[in-house]
Amino acid sequence: TQLLEQSPQFLSIQEGENLTVYCNSSSVFSSLQWYRQEPGEGPVLLVTVVTGGEVKKLKRLTFQFGDARKDSSLHITAAQPGDTGLYLCAGSNAGKSTFGDGTTLTVKP
Amino acid sequence: DAGVTQSPTHLIKTRGQHVTLRCSPISGHKSVSWYQQVLGQGPQFIFQYYEKEERGRGNFPDRFSARQFPNYSSELNVNALLLGDSALYLCASSLEPDRGDWGNTIYFGEGSWLTVV
Repeated sequence: TQLLEQSPQFLSIQEGENLTVYCNSSSVFSSLQWYRQEPGEGPVLLVTVVTGGEVKKLKRLTFQFGDARKDSSLHITAAQPGDTGLYLCAGSNAGKSTFGDGTTLTVKP
Repeated sequence: DAGVTQSPTHLIKTRGQHVTLRCSPISGHKSVSWYQQVLGQGPQFIFQYYEKEERGRGNFPDRFSARQFPNYSSELNVNALLLGDSALYLCASSLEPDRGDWGNTIYFGEGSWLTVV
């Protein structure tokens, strides 16, 4: 069974602070995705990382895929209240995506 | 372009009843997957269909079934509903499930909220 562990489970910070959330597994994935989900809505894709060691930037968000393709991190610079939400990572193999339980981020103004 | 569309968005059912949820994938996507998300957890894989054939099944009882139609839309059926089936049911589509790159990225619909009372 492929498991993804996300940490921390909950994170509450002030606007303007930086943060990093983590996604770890003992399994190797062909690709890994990060999603953001708001209450009552489906997850929205933020990024897909494929190559070990890959780093992708999306405005204030920086995503990194571990060299062994087992783990990933998401770093947010100067967090804003609009960043509040559930951040999910998902590892993909053979068409099946395995999700972690997410990090719930709250950014206070 | 339209994203993944699901219907209905919300529904309430009684224990023992059955439910059918519907999903239309992104145009050009041939793979559809179904996930169940209960409050406080990440989505759990139920089924994947590709080219109208079942490609994968998660750890769900036989009360759960699905199918994919020639136009690549899909239905998820749940029989003999239990209170524990209350959840957000998510449909996701992707280009090709076996590609080892971004092609297997799944894109979600808004989900169908099922409440069993």
